[in-house]
Parts: sequence; C-alpha cells; structure tokens
Amino acid sequence: DSGVTQTPKHLITATGQRVTLRCSPRSGDLSVYWYQQSLDQGLQFLIQYYNGEERAKGNILERFSAQQFPDLHSELNLSSLELGDSALYFCASSVGVRDVGETQYFGPGTRLLVL
Amino acid sequence: DQQVKQNSPSLSVQEGRISILNCDYTNSMFDYFLWYKKYPAEGPTFLISISSIKDKNEDGRFTVFLNKSAKHLSLHIVPSQPGDSAVYFCAASGGGGSNYKLTFGKGTLLTVNP
Repeated sequence: DSGVTQTPKHLITATGQRVTLRCSPRSGDLSVYWYQQSLDQGLQFLIQYYNGEERAKGNILERFSAQQFPDLHSELNLSSLELGDSALYFCASSVGVRDVGETQYFGPGTRLLVL
Repeated sequence: DQQVKQNSPSLSVQEGRISILNCDYTNSMFDYFLWYKKYPAEGPTFLISISSIKDKNEDGRFTVFLNKSAKHLSLHIVPSQPGDSAVYFCAASGGGGSNYKLTFGKGTLLTVNP
C-alpha cells in the first residue's frame, strides 16, 4: 500500500458527460501528479500541483482540468468525454521539495470507460 | 519522440536466475531514474531509484546500474522469483526548474518460470 488513495476505482459513463476523479496523497506529501495510461500510449504525464498551485503541465487536453485543495487532496475533472478518453488514470504524490530527485508513489488508479 | 525506451517488450527467465531489464534514454537533462513494477489493475509500485551522480544502487535483490555516457540503465534482479512476474517500467525525471514529471518507457513484461 503506497498510502495514496484514489476514488472511484471504476467509472462507466457516456460520451459527452463529465466526471471527477479524486486523489488523496500520502501523509506529508505536498506534490500531486496525474497520469493517464492508455493501451497505445503508455503512462503519460498530465499535470502536477504543489501545495495548491499548478506546477507543470503535460499533454493534458483543454477538456480536462485539475485542482489541489487546502487539505492537499486533488481532483481531476474530465468533461465532454469521448470514447478515446477511456483509460486508467493514476495519481501520484511526492514530498515536493526536490533536491537530487524525488520518488513518486502511485495510487491504485481509476479505470474510466466511456461508452 | 520517445525519450525513454524499453526495447524488450517481454523477458522470460527461470526461477533463481538473474533477470536483466534494460532502458535507454535520449534526454541528457534527465538526472533521476526510477524503476516501477506493475501488476494488472494496480498502480505502479516503486522499486528502486538512482541519481545521475551515481552509477550503481543496490536494494536487496534489486540493483540498478546507470551508464551516463551510453544513456543506458539496467535493473538486475537476483535471484529471480515467480512473484517478480509483472510489467517493469523505467522512468526518468529532470531538466531543472519545476519540471518534476516522470517520463516512462512502455514497459517490459517479466515472466519468471518456476
């Protein structure tokens, strides 16, 4: 158990809908990262938050947004869903004070299926 | 452009022997490298890491070697056990500033046969 929790575990929805994925980081971690794993693309970085502020953006679609709240949990909002958004979405957390390098610890993921 | 490459999609070894998983990278700004193990329907589990100031890091049965001049790293598992069967991902971070994202390879499926 990495200490990172994600809900829900599974989500089935229809095209055009909007969903919210939730992540709670490990105790004491200030950075939260979101990744998408699809069959053909592997694990792709979406976005990073540090102590409530956006720090880095990857290949995140404009239909997707995220935020980190004062209690440090994070939510990833996916809107106008398309079939191609079906994937595993992982949240990871790290301490957030980077010296030489930081290890990110991953949650169990949310499997999203868009029908 | 794939900056982290794991060229072997799969590897099969006998229990008790050594497993060697390889990873190549192209971005010379990467300065921290990690290996993760992943079972189906679970999140990646951190195994071992190495910073660019070292060329070897060991943790129990797992050893990671880094060859910066060749932009190559490898994970050695000795002895291999059936429970090690999983997909192994190589990941890298670096580039300075606030870019701490991990760039992953596509993974290598390791099968350890009893």
